[in-house]
Amino acid sequence: GQQVMQIPQYQHVQEGEDFTTYCNSSTTLSNIQWYKQRPGGHPVFLIQLVKSGEVKKQKRLTFQFGEAKKNSSLHITATQTTDVGTYFCAGSASGTYKYIFGTGTRLKVLA
Amino acid sequence: DVKVTQSSRYLVKRTGEKVFLECVQDMDHENMFWYRQDPGLGLRLIYFSYDVKMKEKGDIPEGYSVSREKKERFSLILESASTNQTSMYLCASSLGRGGQYFGPGTRLTVT
Repeated sequence: GQQVMQIPQYQHVQEGEDFTTYCNSSTTLSNIQWYKQRPGGHPVFLIQLVKSGEVKKQKRLTFQFGEAKKNSSLHITATQTTDVGTYFCAGSASGTYKYIFGTGTRLKVLA
Repeated sequence: DVKVTQSSRYLVKRTGEKVFLECVQDMDHENMFWYRQDPGLGLRLIYFSYDVKMKEKGDIPEGYSVSREKKERFSLILESASTNQTSMYLCASSLGRGGQYFGPGTRLTVT
């Protein structure tokens, strides 16, 4: 069945450093979504990517969807303590509303 | 703002009990989802529903059933609770293939 792997599992960075998390699917995706979950909170939808090679930006966050639509990345420039949390990708195959979530990358930012 | 509410934040049940978890969304979303979240395993889809009275199994439906009699309400039922169903249960809703909006979660402990 479809699998979505996410690396790294954990990342500790100094405040101001950059951070990247990668998401890889075993099958071609129709679209991919990214979520952030703060400690003790619930996942919050950040963005959706649909097109091959698509790049979207939200302030210091840059999201990319691979050309083959099997991988994606989230890059945060100059991390802040407010970026702390777990970042999940979720991919969907064509013709289904079912999303497979990656295992998440837990980000800690040291002030 | 989309609001997804879940009936309880914390629940403690005994092995063998029948457990009902309720989820209500107020944005007329056609899709609703039930996930469980366990450390190291990310979010795993139990069931989802794309319309009233319609449901599809997710990746881990065993031991669970669902009910969607009204568009805004999606119930998860544990027919006979077991200790391995101790987990955080998250409900979500979405419009079409858009981002999912999650409720605050129910932390269920089965003793």
